[in-house]
Amino acid sequence: GENVEQHPSTLSVQEGDSAVIKCTYSDSASNYFPWYKQELGKGPQLIIDIRSNVGEKKDQRIAVTLNKTAKHFSLHITETQPEDSAVYFCAAMSQGGSEKLVFGKGTKLTVNP
Amino acid sequence: DTAVSQTPKYLVTQMGNDKSIKCEQNLGHDTMYWYKQDSKKFLKIMFSYNNKELIINETVPNRFSPKSPDKAHLNLHINSLELGDSAVYFCASSQDRSSPLHFGNGTRLTVT
Repeated sequence: GENVEQHPSTLSVQEGDSAVIKCTYSDSASNYFPWYKQELGKGPQLIIDIRSNVGEKKDQRIAVTLNKTAKHFSLHITETQPEDSAVYFCAAMSQGGSEKLVFGKGTKLTVNP
Repeated sequence: DTAVSQTPKYLVTQMGNDKSIKCEQNLGHDTMYWYKQDSKKFLKIMFSYNNKELIINETVPNRFSPKSPDKAHLNLHINSLELGDSAVYFCASSQDRSSPLHFGNGTRLTVT
């Protein structure tokens, strides 16, 4: 089955800097890669996603890149703000007959003012 | 106008008890899920239902039994609770099996 590795597990940046979180996946048949943000005491919330027919997608300060050959994808946050502090999860959709979203282990991002 | 709501938010109970967590979505989605998040924040799928039919059942002990009375509801019943069941349980829904998931705010279960 699908396996998703996520790095780093913690990331601390200064306000205004950029943050990059990287994930790799194992199943070459996976074709959907969402990113979720989880704030304290809340459920994960979708912030951006990408499908395997595109290499990059951008939404204001957030961008995701996908390299299908290398089976890795990354989240880029520019001009970070304190409210970006949260746990971020990458995920990959496994296509093994019953589509299943497999999550990475999360990255705790802290943006210091 | 909460999209995915689950109750209760907190649940504290003793080992051996039976408890239920309820989930409702008002998004008109066809697919609903239960995920378990452990103390290290790892999110793992437990069950998935599509139009009230079970489609994913991970290697979850049979003490856990999901029930979907209709498309908008997916409840989770847990028998003979154990200490290791302590976690945050998230309900989620999606338009179909390959669409983005919308999560509820979780139920923190503590077994003492």
